[in-house]
Amino acid sequence: EVQLVETGGGLVQPGKSLKLTCATSGFTFSNAWMDWVRQSPEKQLEWVAQIKDKSNNYATYYAESVKGRFTISRDDSKSSVYLQMNSLKEEDTAIYYCTCGPLWGQGVMVTVSS
Amino acid sequence: DIVMTQSPSSLAVSAGETVTINCKSSQSLLSSGNQKNYLAWYQQKPGQSPKLLIYLASTRESGVPDRFIGSGSGTDFTLTISSVQAEDLADYYCQQHYSYPPTFGSGTKLEIK
Repeated sequence: EVQLVETGGGLVQPGKSLKLTCATSGFTFSNAWMDWVRQSPEKQLEWVAQIKDKSNNYATYYAESVKGRFTISRDDSKSSVYLQMNSLKEEDTAIYYCTCGPLWGQGVMVTVSS
Repeated sequence: DIVMTQSPSSLAVSAGETVTINCKSSQSLLSSGNQKNYLAWYQQKPGQSPKLLIYLASTRESGVPDRFIGSGSGTDFTLTISSVQAEDLADYYCQQHYSYPPTFGSGTKLEIK
């Protein structure tokens, strides 16, 4: 069974950091291009970041809204992808989904508030 | 960035009716190399993650009922749901993956009368 399970969300103050983890199983992770997508409280979906596979030199891409603050990474030995979020802002408050093509995790809530 | 404009923002229909949701992109999503449109449709039921319904504008994902039909090309796309059922209550989003960054429409909320 294919699974993508996100963890690491929570309540954090503006300016602080948080790291999300997406643990996967049921497919060949090492060949997969992995994305993070977020959904705001207003339900708008926004693509956040992507990391390609080893054959594509683990190339990374970011939305302008998070560039320089967020870092996507992966560990093929653990079939996991990560999102390091620094200098968090209130507008980063959202449900964060780990995705791979048509596959989506259940999402994890991140709330940035003082 | 390519802007995706979706309409209507919400609609309410009775079971058995046909629904049409529109999505317009600010740039063409048609690849001149392979003549494919890089447009997807997602369904998000209450409390769930988005689910891929349609990709490449008109190809149904495996297991998606054939009452869901995607059409269009270039900048104008349509999701048609024929004979709507109560289980189709959901938000629907279009998404372009023709160029980075991938962008989504603002969503259409489908309610069943």
